[in-house]
Amino acid sequence: EPEVTQTPSHQVTQMGQEVILRCVPISNHLYFYWYRQILGQKVEFLVSFYNNEISEKSEIFDDQFSVERPDGSNFTLKIRSTKLEDSAMYFCASSDNYEQYFGPGTRLTVT
Amino acid sequence: RKEVEQDPGPFNVPEGATVAFNCTYSNSASQSFFWYRQDCRKEPKLLMSVYSSGNEDGRFTAQLNRASQYISLLIRDSKLSDSATYLCVVILTTDSWGKFQFGAGTQVVVTP
Repeated sequence: EPEVTQTPSHQVTQMGQEVILRCVPISNHLYFYWYRQILGQKVEFLVSFYNNEISEKSEIFDDQFSVERPDGSNFTLKIRSTKLEDSAMYFCASSDNYEQYFGPGTRLTVT
Repeated sequence: RKEVEQDPGPFNVPEGATVAFNCTYSNSASQSFFWYRQDCRKEPKLLMSVYSSGNEDGRFTAQLNRASQYISLLIRDSKLSDSATYLCVVILTTDSWGKFQFGAGTQVVVTP
């Protein structure tokens, strides 16, 4: 069964550093998403991406964040200057309609 | 008022029993609804879409009540493996794609 994959599974970084989280969506899907989940809290939508551009973004997705599809398979989330409050699980998802399939997540720890 | 609200639970359910819970949404223009399950420290997994007429998938039944703006999930003959947090997802279709809103989840604990 096709699945969404994410790397790394855990990333530790120092405050102020840039991080790039990587995702490989399901190959025939056209829509891609990033979510975050702070420990013990709900899943929060960050951004959706279609046809090489952002479709929707939440108020969380400020200028510190960017997304890219650098080639035909990868979808990345970049956080330019990490803050302590960026520590969370980051999930990538993909879909060919509204039914989304999630990757296993990257746990980001900012120290 | 929160955009998507769920009773956090936990709902403690004896194995074999039935459990049901709701999710309310605030925006009447919301058009697509889903239930996901999330196991501890894992990714959300799609359980089922919720159709206007209601739909069933095995032991799971989902209903949509547009007039009262809620969706429901009923689990029959609960199994230990049904223990999880159930997330309600509501989508407001926009000109570009959709705004995806997750509820905080309802925790279900099935006990032997």
